[in-house]
Amino acid sequence: QKEVEQNSGPLSVPEGAIASLNCTYSDRVSQSFFWYRQYSGKSPELIMSIYSNGDKEDGRFTAQLNKASQYVSLLIRDSQPSDSATYLCAAKGGNNRLAFGKGNQVVVIP
Amino acid sequence: DGGITQSPKYLFRKEGQNVTLSCEQNLNHDAMYWYRQDPGQGLRLIYYSQIVNDFQKGDIAEGYSVSREKKESFPLTVTSAQKNPTAFYLCASTPRGQGATYEQYFGPGTRLTVT
Repeated sequence: QKEVEQNSGPLSVPEGAIASLNCTYSDRVSQSFFWYRQYSGKSPELIMSIYSNGDKEDGRFTAQLNKASQYVSLLIRDSQPSDSATYLCAAKGGNNRLAFGKGNQVVVIP
Repeated sequence: DGGITQSPKYLFRKEGQNVTLSCEQNLNHDAMYWYRQDPGQGLRLIYYSQIVNDFQKGDIAEGYSVSREKKESFPLTVTSAQKNPTAFYLCASTPRGQGATYEQYFGPGTRLTVT
């Protein structure tokens, strides 16, 4: 099993709807989890960090961590066309490295 | 302004030439990282350094070399031994030590094309 997995294909959501992204992780990573947004041709930008079980909200973004089930999710409320991007899930592994998932593309349809 | 700079933004080289990509940060971060990203792929770790004068191989170090002589700088050399060097190269940094959150921050990237 890979350390961090994002298996969903591209996600299309209407403007104003909720976009939901999921990420599962293995026992080889722990404690610290991150969501990055990457626009086409640009570098990743950190949008959320979560370290403990439960929900963490920041503006229209909510990160959810469930350590028992080993998944972390990102909700984007009131999706806007500017949210169209690839979202990368990452988790802290050994030697202070981050393990990244392959990313999920989100397309917000006006 | 604090941040991470990478230069150049676009780089074109002929096959068989070594090329060095620059990464500088003024965030006072201890750890620095180099990743490679290919179209439709995730980030793959090339090399990382947690302190000055020390660095470790990542998952795809073959054909690459680095140095860390200063805290602020972590240049990456793509050698002629790298078989598929054309890619988007990303540098990142993070603070270390007690209370560190391990959040990594990325530079703008260098897009290298080798023909």
